[in-house]
Amino acid sequence: DAEITQSPRHKITETGRQVTLACHQTWNHNNMFWYRQDLGHGLRLIHYSYGVQDTNKGEVSDGYSVSRSNTEDLPLTLESAASSQTSVYFCASSESRSADTQYFGPGTRLTVL
Amino acid sequence: AQSVAQPEDQVNVAEGNPLTVKCTYSVSGNPYLFWYVQYPNRGLQFLLKYITGDNLVKGSYGFEAEFNKSQTSFHLKKPSALVSDSALYFCAVRDSGRGNTPLVFGKGTRLSVIA
Repeated sequence: DAEITQSPRHKITETGRQVTLACHQTWNHNNMFWYRQDLGHGLRLIHYSYGVQDTNKGEVSDGYSVSRSNTEDLPLTLESAASSQTSVYFCASSESRSADTQYFGPGTRLTVL
Repeated sequence: AQSVAQPEDQVNVAEGNPLTVKCTYSVSGNPYLFWYVQYPNRGLQFLLKYITGDNLVKGSYGFEAEFNKSQTSFHLKKPSALVSDSALYFCAVRDSGRGNTPLVFGKGTRLSVIA
């Protein structure tokens, strides 16, 4: 069955370190998204991509970057981790049409000490 | 700009009673509306969506939602709540007239069903 996976599921790191969170989908979807979930804020969009070599900034993109070199993967990099980036991160994917449903991965819980 | 509001942080309901989780939206064109559910330590799961057509949309696990254009609302409902419905519910919207813009999510409503 097609699926979307995230790794690692849990990560503890230190302030200032570079961290990369992986997202892999086997739906062959064009669109991929990264969100962070924080109490009181719901889901906030970090970056998104509509296809290979396409990336776009979301609502809370500062301190994060993504690259899309193939259809299946959209890794999220925290260039220099900060305590404010402690959060749960979700990856999602969808087909190319605007009415299409997004499917979410299981999430990565990141703690920055 | 597109936005969505979930006016209640928490909804409590007794098992067997009907439940409603409220959602209102704002878009300049016609909306695409979605409901998702999140169980503890899990990702979001799709429940249902409104694109066009019948204002009453039926989804997974016995949930339904009614699109009301005049009130710009898309409330989630279920006739008889189960304890297993206890979860975090998110409403999301996209403006159909703005190309493939990303979904905007509400802040979520925590539903507690009490036995």
